[in-house]
Amino acid sequence: AQTVTQSQPEMSVQEAETVTLSCTYDTSESDYYLFWYKQPPSRQMILVIRQEAYKQQNATENRFSVNFQKAAKSFSLKISDSQLGDAAMYFCAYRSRGQGGSEKLVFGKGTKLTVNP
Amino acid sequence: NAGVTQTPKFQVLKTGQSMTLQCAQDMNHEYMSWYRQDPGMGLRLIHYSVGAGITDQGEVPNGYNVSRSTTEDFPLRLLSAAPSQTSVYFCASSKRQGVTEAFFGQGTRLTVV
Repeated sequence: AQTVTQSQPEMSVQEAETVTLSCTYDTSESDYYLFWYKQPPSRQMILVIRQEAYKQQNATENRFSVNFQKAAKSFSLKISDSQLGDAAMYFCAYRSRGQGGSEKLVFGKGTKLTVNP
Repeated sequence: NAGVTQTPKFQVLKTGQSMTLQCAQDMNHEYMSWYRQDPGMGLRLIHYSVGAGITDQGEVPNGYNVSRSTTEDFPLRLLSAAPSQTSVYFCASSKRQGVTEAFFGQGTRLTVV
């Protein structure tokens, strides 16, 4: 079974600075998806960024980028120019690509990000 | 754009009461699932469905029942609520192929007293 580990329960960053959230995962599969979801105090789960394992290029969405190291099974999220609105819980998640697993997500326990003005 | 609609948003139950959390999606997604979120535990899978008439257990299924009579709806039933079921519940849906991410409802905060 796949597992996802987020080793930082809490992180803080100064507004306008850069922060990196860590995520490692364990799988025997070669083809899968990885996601970062943001959960603000509103409780809504918002997709931040996705990475397809067969793509070597790291995904980027505006101020959000990932460092995907497939061999090391590492998938960190970098937030540049942090804004107050980035304060939230961030969850790393894994999804199998093939049948027999692609119907569900496996989540890490989350990292609470605080942005200081 | 309704997406995934989950009701109610808040609920307080007494121990032993039953209730159904409703979930509906209008995106014709094959996959639907229920997760519970507890502090420090992330989201854990309760039950999931890969299509109408097909359901299966996730990581923490005890105390919950589901059914999927239509593609759109996937209700979660608590047969006899227990304080350990106090949690935030999320319904999610996704396509089997193509668009890869899951779409989530707004969550239900359930308190069992």
